[in-house]
Amino acid sequence: SYELTQPSSVSVSPGQTARITCSGDVLAKKYVRWFQQKPGQAPVLVIYKDTERPSGIPERFSGSSSGTTVTLTISGAQVEDEADYYCSSTADNAAWVFGGGTKLTVL
Amino acid sequence: QVQLVQSGAEVKKPGASVKVSCKVSGYTLSQLSMHWVRQAPGKGLEWMGGFDPEDGETVYAQRFQGRVTMTEDTSTDTAYMELSSLRSEDTAVYYCGTTELLVWGQGTLVTVSS
Repeated sequence: SYELTQPSSVSVSPGQTARITCSGDVLAKKYVRWFQQKPGQAPVLVIYKDTERPSGIPERFSGSSSGTTVTLTISGAQVEDEADYYCSSTADNAAWVFGGGTKLTVL
Repeated sequence: QVQLVQSGAEVKKPGASVKVSCKVSGYTLSQLSMHWVRQAPGKGLEWMGGFDPEDGETVYAQRFQGRVTMTEDTSTDTAYMELSSLRSEDTAVYYCGTTELLVWGQGTLVTVSS
């Protein structure tokens, strides 16, 4: 098995840059996806293939990768970005795994 | 525009099975790779399994091997996830999702209680 490690919480003020990291050995050779989940809602894919943004996702969301750590960056975080964020990747056997999730507070 | 509509909430007794459906519209099921993810109350996301287009097979998370079955009915564009030998720890919201989990269903609450 393999694991993805995220900080449990990140806090920023509105307009600041929020950075959420995700670490795991598999990330050195596999892409990561990032999901945003607000209370009571289904998750939303905000980044895939490390840096790609699906249609409709604001440009302030970006992804980067360096070795075994990937980072989701929200430039100029807004109050509506407050949510739980999960990273996810795929192992060699095609099984997916999620990180434990990071609660982003914007206030 | 792909949309996924899941079946309604279920209450099951320990030891029973549950089968959740996920109806696809806007695309045909054969054009998509479907995945299933669950989320226990107050907990994180947990991948259960999904279709691997490279191998053309469904891959299951190791912890659910032998207990979960994911099937598809292409005549109705409906995907199914059946989980057997239910226990209280299986109480969760179950989601279906398309390729790369770009689109998600609304979720189905499954409650396991005696």
